[in-house]
Amino acid sequence: QSALTQPPSVSGSPGQSVTISCTGSSSDVGLYNRVSWYQLPPGTSPKLLIFEGSSRPSGVPDRFSGSKSVNTASLTISGLQAEDEADYYCSSYTTSSTVIFGGGTKLTVL
Amino acid sequence: QVQLQESGPGLVKPSQTLSLTCTVSGVSINSGSHHWTWIRHLPGKGLEWLGDIYYSGSTYSNPSLKSRLSISIDTSRNHFSLSLRSVSAADTATYYCARENVYGSSAFDSWGQGTLVIVSS
Repeated sequence: QSALTQPPSVSGSPGQSVTISCTGSSSDVGLYNRVSWYQLPPGTSPKLLIFEGSSRPSGVPDRFSGSKSVNTASLTISGLQAEDEADYYCSSYTTSSTVIFGGGTKLTVL
Repeated sequence: QVQLQESGPGLVKPSQTLSLTCTVSGVSINSGSHHWTWIRHLPGKGLEWLGDIYYSGSTYSNPSLKSRLSISIDTSRNHFSLSLRSVSAADTATYYCARENVYGSSAFDSWGQGTLVIVSS
């Protein structure tokens, strides 16, 4: 099973918005509403930001939002803050009853 | 509040078996509300889902590891375990256990702190 495709890096200035894409196929992202997004700051465990495509766990700021179009999911971070600098990963359930992750995107806050 | 804690050796020799346990506190592992999962972070690379287990004992595993991987659960001790056979340097990674937040969501909201496992002679 191939990993989902994410851009290696994105960047933005404080206060701006950035969007990270996550491209899969009709066997995963396109078929199921089970896309998740995680934030992985250096040296810490991943933090769930978005589940089921667009739902936020309690405690996650509404600056983080998720969406999907066909086989591509997206994470948008608005009102960028310095503390948002981290690696971000998407994941999806698949027709093989497994979960696959994207390759990760490094967000740099300029 | 749910907490997960990985335990096991930090160094394993090539061709041997890597064994890790995840002890869960704050929630009963046999509540039936979650899958319990193993994920690893390969150095310089991304996250890789290894497999998961339900309280009933049913498991799903990453096809790339299926012949080497076993996941088990002990509801009496509120923990679940991973066993990866015939390891090589490519299995060097930080291993996490995690909880699926809602049954069937395939999203993981609670994670252990992670344990670094190095495969080396």
